[in-house]
Amino acid sequence: GQQVKQSSPSLTVQEGGISILNCDYENDMFDYFAWYKKYPDNSPTLLISVRSNVDKREDGRLTVFLNKSGKHFSLHITASQPEDTAVYLCALLATGGNNKLTFGQGTVLSVIP
Amino acid sequence: AQTIHQWPVAEIKAVGSPLSLGCTIKGKSSPNLYWYWQATGGTLQQLFYSITVGQVESVVQLNLSASRPKDDQFILSTEKLLLSHSGFYLCAWSLGVNTGQLYFGEGSKLTVL
Repeated sequence: GQQVKQSSPSLTVQEGGISILNCDYENDMFDYFAWYKKYPDNSPTLLISVRSNVDKREDGRLTVFLNKSGKHFSLHITASQPEDTAVYLCALLATGGNNKLTFGQGTVLSVIP
Repeated sequence: AQTIHQWPVAEIKAVGSPLSLGCTIKGKSSPNLYWYWQATGGTLQQLFYSITVGQVESVVQLNLSASRPKDDQFILSTEKLLLSHSGFYLCAWSLGVNTGQLYFGEGSKLTVL
């Protein structure tokens, strides 16, 4: 089965609203949690990340929440803008080297004016 | 500043034909290098990683091989393409082996007919 699941393939939010992107995982060995952002025809770029000893991190309009007991990781984008429209990929890493990130399938976020 | 360049941008190849995809990183000495692959409709998954020249580790067996002939070069190849090799191939580099932060190239789109 899939180790990392983004259950919503797409999400549409009104400009100025809050976008909530969710990611669920199965493996207790993950200790690094990240969100990558991908525009069409571009490669993914790291947006924000946390280690497993952190359950919340804020960076401007972005906040990530890590619920280890529930194996749930989320990204909240406040005051969503049309330029936030992109594919968001959660990416998790288990300690052990080789930077083998396990990616979710991605959620297409559309922010409409 | 570091730059990562992949070639070719896109390829259309016949089943059974050979393939070579390349990746060059400039501005970073002894980077850790990776090949990731995303089948159409699938998730990004790591195929190979390399910590140093001449050393490549396989992560997923897909009848592909990788080589690192120079410090700044990573090559993905196969002698005989399969239909299942179609997809998007991304080269990436990182500063360490357990950082979780990858810097991706522009990608190479492969279509096998």
